[in-house]
Amino acid sequence: SQQGEEDPQALSIQEGENATMNCSYKTSINNLQWYRQNSGRGLVHLILIRSNEREKHSGRLRVTLDTSKKSSSLLITASRAADTASYFCATGSSETSGSRLTFGEGTQLTVNP
Amino acid sequence: GAVVSQHPSRVICKSGTSVKIECRSLDFQATTMFWYRQFPKQSLMLMATSNEGSKATYEQGVEKDKFLINHASLTLSTLTVTSAHPEDSSFYICSARLAGVYGEQYFGPGTRLTVT
Repeated sequence: SQQGEEDPQALSIQEGENATMNCSYKTSINNLQWYRQNSGRGLVHLILIRSNEREKHSGRLRVTLDTSKKSSSLLITASRAADTASYFCATGSSETSGSRLTFGEGTQLTVNP
Repeated sequence: GAVVSQHPSRVICKSGTSVKIECRSLDFQATTMFWYRQFPKQSLMLMATSNEGSKATYEQGVEKDKFLINHASLTLSTLTVTSAHPEDSSFYICSARLAGVYGEQYFGPGTRLTVT
């Protein structure tokens, strides 16, 4: 089974609203990464947060990591129609120094104009 | 920076034939590359870890004789699907990892394989 579980599986919002996606995992991690995938395309790396970090920002993105709860969240502020995509979290295992990623099931985000 | 390319982007082949997919890191050297497959509306499943100059490490359930991986240089890894069958039809994505303890992975655009 997948290491990561994401919720919600699907999220539909209006342009300008904020979108929050959550990811939970089960084992010890070295890092957690978030990726975006447009339909039928490759993955775009959004942000990496290390296991010793609690929060990270990049533009309109804010990622939090709570290792005690084994969970992370991705917040996209002031969403745009172009943000419509699938979003995946991926955890890098401590056992492999973070090199081997395990992906969550993904959240399909739809931003309506 | 950190661009990964894949070739071809789409391939259609007949059942029983073999198909080779190339993954290149264009502006950095990658000692480790990874191969994933993704079925429609599903997540990525890691197939194997490709290390330059050594044998690939396959995930449980992935047939190493069917999915041949070669990582001959620091910028190129290839995946060959041998004796392809319709159930091998999928989206295959490679990634290359930056060096370092917290090395980020950068993904190629994927290859859509259709076996008829």
